[in-house]
Amino acid sequence: AQTVTQSQPEMSVQEAETVTLSCTYDTSESDYYLFWYKQPPSRQMILVIRQEAYKQQNATENRFSVNFQKAAKSFSLKISDSQLGDAAMYFCAYALGGGSQGNLIFGKGTKLSVKP
Amino acid sequence: GAVVSQHPSRVICKSGTSVKIECRSLDFQATTMFWYRQFPKQSLMLMATSNEGSKATYEQGVEKDKFLINHASLTLSTLTVTSAHPEDSSFYICSAREGTSGTDTQYFGPGTRLTVL
Repeated sequence: AQTVTQSQPEMSVQEAETVTLSCTYDTSESDYYLFWYKQPPSRQMILVIRQEAYKQQNATENRFSVNFQKAAKSFSLKISDSQLGDAAMYFCAYALGGGSQGNLIFGKGTKLSVKP
Repeated sequence: GAVVSQHPSRVICKSGTSVKIECRSLDFQATTMFWYRQFPKQSLMLMATSNEGSKATYEQGVEKDKFLINHASLTLSTLTVTSAHPEDSSFYICSAREGTSGTDTQYFGPGTRLTVL
């Protein structure tokens, strides 16, 4: 069975600094997708970034980028120039590809605090 | 684009009553919708997957007779919590996926907080 592990329950970063959130996963599949979702206090889940496993290039979205290490099954999220609005729970998620239903398997989350 | 709404956002009900939660994809057709449950300070747990026009697929341990899911159209799925009890109090979140491939991204509704007295 696929699993997603986030080993950092809480992280803190100073405003304008950079922070990296860790995520590892376990799967025997070769076709899958990885996501980072953000859940602010409003509890609305927001997609931050997405990575296709078949792509070697790391995904980037403005200040957000990932370090995807397929062999190590690692998928970390880097937030550059952190802003107060980045404070939230961040969930790493995995979805099987290849025409599957695309069910998301979530990690337990990392609570990110941003200090002014 | 890709907006998903949920209604109601909050509901308080008495034990033994049934509660219906609606999930709508506003600007796209959702072939698949998902229902999650989230306890305080915990991650999302998938309850069931529903495809338009067919029966929902429930995750292990989720009572299908208690959590009735209907996906009658490409833009609407409903979750009915039947004979609700205090232990059913939780935050319920739906998501919708556009298209038919597992590669498509899920978009989430804002969630519904259910409190059963």
